[in-house]
Amino acid sequence: DAKTTQPNSMESNEEEPVHLPCNHSTISGTDYIHWYRQLPSQGPEYVIHGLTSNVNNRMASLAIAEDRKSSTLILHRATLRDAAVYYCILSLSLNNAGNMLTFGGGTRLMVKP
Amino acid sequence: DTGVSQNPRHKITKRGQNVTFRCDPISEHNRLYWYRQTLGQGPEFLTYFQNEAQLEKSRLLSDRFSAERPKGSFSTLEIQRTEQGDSAMYLCASSLGQKPPLHFGNGTRLTVT
Repeated sequence: DAKTTQPNSMESNEEEPVHLPCNHSTISGTDYIHWYRQLPSQGPEYVIHGLTSNVNNRMASLAIAEDRKSSTLILHRATLRDAAVYYCILSLSLNNAGNMLTFGGGTRLMVKP
Repeated sequence: DTGVSQNPRHKITKRGQNVTFRCDPISEHNRLYWYRQTLGQGPEFLTYFQNEAQLEKSRLLSDRFSAERPKGSFSTLEIQRTEQGDSAMYLCASSLGQKPPLHFGNGTRLTVT
């Protein structure tokens, strides 16, 4: 499986945008990019996913580089409730294993009031 | 949508005892996954079911571990002869087919003393 590289931690101020980077230089043409986050004492929560084009939903935006070797999760206005570990994950999509996700260490986002 | 439910939330057991966890997925979801998460690490895939069929098992799933989903609805994960190294959070997730997202429960935290 292609691997992802994320910073261990990041800090942000409340109500400011946050850009969480992810490098995936060995991504294959069929790998989807997923982002999940995990709040303290909870299971992971789906945030967003994409293949090639940038994606927006009510939680966040996903910006994917043209060569797909990196992506950025954008939280438009961080709140204290966004403090969590954010995981960038690649998944195989051309077989039945589309949801067998391999989580890495993620980025711990701290939000300061 | 009541979400994925896991019971118990916490389990403390003595080394050598057997334990069983239960997961109730979102009702229409045909895929069910088990993950394990140790402190400070991302979740690790253990196994998954499509309906009642167990389709994939990780090498992490030793022969002391067994998972079932007898009627394609709820699932149980049993660990026999527990060891201290089994102490972890056991997470269950479900999905509709292979498409994202995975919906995770809040896990069962196992402590083996």
